[in-house]
Amino acid sequence: QVQLQESGPGLVKPSETLSLTCTVSGGSISSYYWSWIRQPPGKGLEWIGYIYYSGSTNYNPSLKSRVTISINTSKNQFSLKLSSVTAADTAVYFCARDPNPVVFGDYWGQGILVTVSS
Amino acid sequence: EIVMTQSPATLSVSPGERATLSCRASQSVSSNLAWYQQKPGQAPRLVIYGASTRATGIPARFSGSGSGTEFTLTISSLQSEDFAVYYCQQYYNWPPVTFGQGTRLEIK
Repeated sequence: QVQLQESGPGLVKPSETLSLTCTVSGGSISSYYWSWIRQPPGKGLEWIGYIYYSGSTNYNPSLKSRVTISINTSKNQFSLKLSSVTAADTAVYFCARDPNPVVFGDYWGQGILVTVSS
Repeated sequence: EIVMTQSPATLSVSPGERATLSCRASQSVSSNLAWYQQKPGQAPRLVIYGASTRATGIPARFSGSGSGTEFTLTISSLQSEDFAVYYCQQYYNWPPVTFGQGTRLEIK
């Protein structure tokens, strides 16, 4: 059974860089599209971007200048970095896997709450 | 960016009754429309893709319809486990894919 697990700091200071990792177990990361999606508390979903196992990426234009998604196939992990964070970046961050780059139906992580506050 | 608008924001329906949720796109998305169900504290779950195709494991009481700019998710006979928030998502013109703001389906 494939499982995705997000990890990283739950609290980040304004202007700093948010860094999260999604660890994949029960299957290889060397296939599929691997995505990040976030959800501010009590609000809707926002697509952040994806990385294909080959390393190609695609980002939400509204976040593109601040986002980097990378993959480490040897560790079966992929990561998200979001720079220059503000309170508006406070959200639950989900990682997800799918054969399709923009339909998220395969597997999701449980999500991790990241709060941006000094 | 395509804006997705869902209505109503909250829908109150009794168990066993039919629920109809709406989603409108600011421009045509053809049939590139998905619906997700999200329960409190959980990740979203894909319900419908391609506007009308049920995802794996989704019961037949869930159906999707529409194309272009107007879409509907219908749950024919509500079960207790169906009460949740539902989001529509377009994937016709991306990046970015965009989601609606959600419809909360609550027990009447």
